[in-house]
Amino acid sequence: DTAVSQTPKYLVTQMGNDKSIKCEQNLGHDTMYWYKQDSKKFLKIMFSYNNKELIINETVPNRFSPKSPDKAHLNLHINSLELGDSAVYFCASSPPGHKVHEQYFGPGTRLTVT
Amino acid sequence: AQTVTQSQPEMSVQEAETVTLSCTYDTSESDYYLFWYKQPPSRQMILVIRQEAYKQQNATENRFSVNFQKAAKSFSLKISDSQLGDAAMYFCAYRSKAAGNKLTFGGGTRVLVKP
Repeated sequence: DTAVSQTPKYLVTQMGNDKSIKCEQNLGHDTMYWYKQDSKKFLKIMFSYNNKELIINETVPNRFSPKSPDKAHLNLHINSLELGDSAVYFCASSPPGHKVHEQYFGPGTRLTVT
Repeated sequence: AQTVTQSQPEMSVQEAETVTLSCTYDTSESDYYLFWYKQPPSRQMILVIRQEAYKQQNATENRFSVNFQKAAKSFSLKISDSQLGDAAMYFCAYRSKAAGNKLTFGGGTRVLVKP
């Protein structure tokens, strides 16, 4: 199926650990995003990449490091996890050209830091 | 910076009735996009409807329609003939044409549908 996929869907880990969340899209899009949804359901952009190049970095702590090995992948690595990092993380992608405003979301990864 | 405000944390509607969700936004731009996303308990974000700011005609998508008031910076969503499957969180979102395609979301409105 064509989609934006994320792995894992659930992640439980302890404070201080380092973890990664992977995102892949097979839609042929060239822009990808990471959003964070906190416990109050508030959604906020974290990063955006276009053709593997960082174009948005919304003052996210530098413990968060996105990596885009190619246009179809945007992974999120988090160092030294803190309790406040517990949230749902959404990956999204959008096509080039006149439909760039359309964003397709992945299913989300629920991260729980204990 | 743009901000999006949804003033109703929760709305309840009887099945088959109509419910309207409010959204206001703040921007100095004249050209942008507005969206409503639905997030059911599965947490998947689903695009419900979109509106381009330069189009005066209100967007409609089956039972979903918007009332876009550009001067008032208001973008409400009307759900007609509500169905049990409409129960979800609804998020209003703004997308600047100039700010790297990012979406700025409102705080969400939970819609409850009573059978």
